Amino acid sequence: DGGITQSPKYLFRKEGQNVTLSCEQNLNHDAMYWYRQDPGQGLRLIYYSQIVNDFQKGDIAEGYSVSREKKESFPLTVTSAQKNPTAFYLCASSPQGGTEAFFGQGTRLTVV
Amino acid sequence: AQSVTQLGSHVSVSEGALVLLRCNYSSSVPPYLFWYVQYPNQGLQLLLKYTSAATLVKGINGFEAEFKKSETSFHLTKPSAHMSDAAEYFCAVTHAGNMLTFGGGTRLMVKP
Repeated sequence: DGGITQSPKYLFRKEGQNVTLSCEQNLNHDAMYWYRQDPGQGLRLIYYSQIVNDFQKGDIAEGYSVSREKKESFPLTVTSAQKNPTAFYLCASSPQGGTEAFFGQGTRLTVV
Repeated sequence: AQSVTQLGSHVSVSEGALVLLRCNYSSSVPPYLFWYVQYPNQGLQLLLKYTSAATLVKGINGFEAEFKKSETSFHLTKPSAHMSDAAEYFCAVTHAGNMLTFGGGTRLMVKP
């Protein structure tokens, strides 16, 4: 079945450590996105990529980094510079042309 | 520029009652419009979409939405709420070649 896979579903890390969240898609979509979701704040765009080896900052990119070395993969690294990293992270993909986005099941990151 | 406003961050209805979730958009060009549903600790699932065909769009789980250009609205309705409809709902807008812009979300609560 085609879809988007995020792993792990739950992640715990100590403060000050970098952590990488995985996102893989087999939908052959060109565009991929990372969103952060906090209670009562909807979805906020962290980074997006519309083509391999290229990506752009979203609204809240500080403290995060990404790579897009393969069309299928768009990992997100939460660095120690991110002041409040505990949140629910959602990855999405879409074909080019302004159609709907398809979402993964999310990763809940808790930093202690 | 495009934007989405969802009126009411929380909506409560009784089981069997009408569900009405409001969405207003702004877009300088003809939009594509979407409603997504999110259950706790899960990703977003597409409920329905409007892409310039019929203005009344039917989706999954008995939901439908009507595109009203004169009112710049795309409200989501369901004639009879079920307990399983309790979730968070997001309205989103885009146009060809652009990214989705999401509203802030509406949490629907269904009382027995």
